[in-house]
Amino acid sequence: DAGVIQSPRHEVTEMGQEVTLRCKPISGHNSLFWYRQTMMRGLELLIYFNNNVPIDDSGMPEDRFSAKMPNASFSTLKIQPSEPRDSAVYFCASSNRGGGETQYFGPGTRLLVL
Amino acid sequence: QKEVEQDPGPLSVPEGAIVSLNCTYSNSAFQYFMWYRQYSRKGPELLMYTYSSGNKEDGRFTAQVDKSSKYISLFIRDSQPSDSATYLCATLSGNTGKLIFGQGTTLQVKP
Repeated sequence: DAGVIQSPRHEVTEMGQEVTLRCKPISGHNSLFWYRQTMMRGLELLIYFNNNVPIDDSGMPEDRFSAKMPNASFSTLKIQPSEPRDSAVYFCASSNRGGGETQYFGPGTRLLVL
Repeated sequence: QKEVEQDPGPLSVPEGAIVSLNCTYSNSAFQYFMWYRQYSRKGPELLMYTYSSGNKEDGRFTAQVDKSSKYISLFIRDSQPSDSATYLCATLSGNTGKLIFGQGTTLQVKP
């Protein structure tokens, strides 16, 4: 299995631009998680989906952030407009609820907003 | 107060040392505890998984949970330079599938 796939791996953009991060979970997994990691705040859960349905988006920092999961094999996290404080590493993870709670993380997207 | 607290370190030890990494948590209802390892510029990967109190051993790694004091530990015996990474403790929130992570402790094992 290829594991969780994220794209792009690196993104540099200017303040005010729209940023779209993409994730392909492990085939057969029914839960998907978006995290943000910074030195100051550590690893924070932004939102998670179960069977493509958003379950908990309480970690989404503000309305500029949105996430979708149109099908079981694809999810996006969008930031519009982006701000310098959004600079972080964004991870996607997937798990198979009912088959253990192990979350498998992707390699992350390093976002820098100038 | 954060639900899971972890000293970010950094922690530097010589090769062969025994390493002790620790976390505390606030909610006595937490039952499942994990340790993730994260190498530089990589995603976290599950290292150990324990349920309730007690010890679990896997090679050079031992995970320990003390529910009476809400304390979880990871011990690494005969530490190696390849163990240099950030170690994150985590607990499962109820039956939601949602993990709550500690800040992570950065470990460096010097040859």
